[in-house]
Amino acid sequence: EAGVTQSPTHLIKTRGQQATLRCSPISGHTSVYWYQQALGLGLQFLLWYDEGEERNRGNFPPRFSGRQFPNYSSELNVNALELEDSALYLCASSSRELTSGGADTQYFGPGTRLTVL
Amino acid sequence: RKEVEQDPGPFNVPEGATVAFNCTYSNSASQSFFWYRQDCRKEPKLLMSVYSSGNEDGRFTAQLNRASQYISLLIRDSKLSDSATYLCVVNNPAYNFNKFYFGSGTKLNVKP
Repeated sequence: EAGVTQSPTHLIKTRGQQATLRCSPISGHTSVYWYQQALGLGLQFLLWYDEGEERNRGNFPPRFSGRQFPNYSSELNVNALELEDSALYLCASSSRELTSGGADTQYFGPGTRLTVL
Repeated sequence: RKEVEQDPGPFNVPEGATVAFNCTYSNSASQSFFWYRQDCRKEPKLLMSVYSSGNEDGRFTAQLNRASQYISLLIRDSKLSDSATYLCVVNNPAYNFNKFYFGSGTKLNVKP
């Protein structure tokens, strides 16, 4: 079974430009999460999509946005890029496996490394 | 205060050693707990979920202490391939608030 896929692998942009990152979840998964991981730092929650709708977002400015398509794939858009947006952007999809607290279990894609010059 | 806190390490241990990491969480309403491992410049991979009664998977044992609000990961008979950063993840899965909180990770170096 194919895992979570992300494209592109690497993306280089300049300040002020816009970046679009893409994610395809594991087949059968309806939830997609986006995270930012700056070099040497932990994962910061960006967005959660489920069944085509934005369900929750982290503490990021509105220039970080996205959407989920009917096939559950997702796109993250970052407008007006700033130098500090340089990071690894990870997408995860989740199953509805029952864990101890009923939470979803997340499976991550390989990430898109965004560099803003 | 951070939602999830971990000792960043690094923990430098010889092959065959037993090593333990703790992770504390601030929200007493948290319901689900996980350990992930992340290799350098790679994506996190699920290591194990953490159940209230504790659980074991081979050389790995996870424990949850709700009273003190921490989870632990014990690795026995460390292998060189265990070298990675271990991430603690906590979640309160109430609908429309399915936000996962990741610790910054504990780095483990297993030396020959």
